[in-house]
Amino acid sequence: DQQVKQNSPSLSVQEGRISILNCDYTNSMFDYFLWYKKYPAEGPTFLISISSIKDKNEDGRFTVFLNKSAKHLSLHIVPSQPGDSAVYFCAGGGGSEKLVFGKGTKLTVNP
Amino acid sequence: DTGVSQDPRHKITKRGQNVTFRCDPISEHNRLYWYRQTLGQGPEFLTYFQNEAQLEKSRLLSDRFSAERPKGSFSTLEIQRTEQGDSAMYLCASSLAGYPYEQYFGPGTRLTVT
Repeated sequence: DQQVKQNSPSLSVQEGRISILNCDYTNSMFDYFLWYKKYPAEGPTFLISISSIKDKNEDGRFTVFLNKSAKHLSLHIVPSQPGDSAVYFCAGGGGSEKLVFGKGTKLTVNP
Repeated sequence: DTGVSQDPRHKITKRGQNVTFRCDPISEHNRLYWYRQTLGQGPEFLTYFQNEAQLEKSRLLSDRFSAERPKGSFSTLEIQRTEQGDSAMYLCASSLAGYPYEQYFGPGTRLTVT
C-alpha cells in the first residue's frame, strides 16, 4: 500500500524555466508534508514543508502547493538552475512521528 | 553547527556476520530516526527514539535488528546474521519534538552484504 505516490520517475527542464514536481497521497491522517532533495551518495536534504492547514508555502525559489480535497501537492522551482538537478522526494507525516516517502522524481535541469 | 553524522559511510560484510552503525544527531535534537533506502525507493521508516526511549518500531525491523540510544545522544543500529537482502543505505535523521516536524538526515551508511 503506497501511501505517497510520485508518478513521474523523471523530469527534464531547461535552465531558467519552471520545474513542477507532483505528489499524491492516500493517507488522510497526514497533517504535514515535506520535500527533500537528494544527490547521489548523500542523505536527503530538507527543502520545504507545508502544514495541512495551509495551501501554499514559499521559500525563495521553492513553493509548495497543497490541495487537500484532491490529496495532491506539488513543488514549484522557479527559475530552475542546473544545481537543482537531483532526486526529489515528497514525504507525509502525522499521527505517528515517522515520515512516509514517495519513490522520488529525478529532476534534470539542462543548461 | 554540525549536522547529523554517521559512521561508517560504507560497510562491506559477508552474509552471516554482525554489523553495527553509529549515528550522532544534531546536538539539540531530542528525536532520532532510522530509515532504510533501497535502489529506486524512498527512505522507509525503521524506528525512532525520543531521548533514550524507543517509541516506535516498523515491522521491517526484524528480530535481527536492534537499535539503542543509551544516553539520549548518539544511537547505534545493529544487524545480526546479515542477509543479502539487508544490503541498503541506512539513514539516520534527527529533529526536535513537535511542529514543524522537519527531520534532518545524515549522509547514510551504505551496507553491502556479499
